Amino acid sequence: AQRVTQPEKLLSVFKGAPVELKCNYSYSGSPELFWYVQYSRQRLQLLLRHISRESIKGFTADLNKGETSFHLKKPFAQEEDSAMYYCALRGGGFKTIFGAGTRLFVKA
Amino acid sequence: SQTIHQWPATLVQPVGSPLSLECTVEGTSNPNLYWYRQAAGRGLQLLFYSVGIGQISSEVPQNLSASRPQDRQFILSSKKLLLSDSGFYLCAWSSSGGGYTFGSGTRLTVV
Repeated sequence: AQRVTQPEKLLSVFKGAPVELKCNYSYSGSPELFWYVQYSRQRLQLLLRHISRESIKGFTADLNKGETSFHLKKPFAQEEDSAMYYCALRGGGFKTIFGAGTRLFVKA
Repeated sequence: SQTIHQWPATLVQPVGSPLSLECTVEGTSNPNLYWYRQAAGRGLQLLFYSVGIGQISSEVPQNLSASRPQDRQFILSSKKLLLSDSGFYLCAWSSSGGGYTFGSGTRLTVV
């Protein structure tokens, strides 16, 4: 069965500190992993996907198949990064499974 | 460019009344369409998805149904709403292999 686990419901860091939002998945095949973000009063939107191997707004995420993880990282958090972050998995086919989300607070 | 429209933004309905939420996509053809329900602390729950006109897959048995009468139109319905149907409903589309683009959502309150 496909599963996405985000162990932290809330993560609070100071501005300028590194941030890591954890995501672990369960899937027997080769998954596609995504991170979505929802800023206050805005639509849920795609942040990045593992196959793109890109950095968006300073965030990166590396797929670790051995640890079945796809953690989202940023070396220096900014106040505007405060948002709800969802990790998602698409395991072949059309469906995407989402984690429960992590709310990130970046304090001044 | 592609856009997705979802309405209404908010809706308050009495128990036992019918429901119709509409979602339309512009600027693309043959999109994959989805209905999710977003609950605080529980993430997004996939309700229905559609890969073509008239093709609906249901993920969760419940009091809701979905239809796709046109290529870029996706409708979420209920004949008789329950209190437990209250929530935030999101429509999304994707192309094959792409990420999702979400609508702005509908906050449904059943009273």
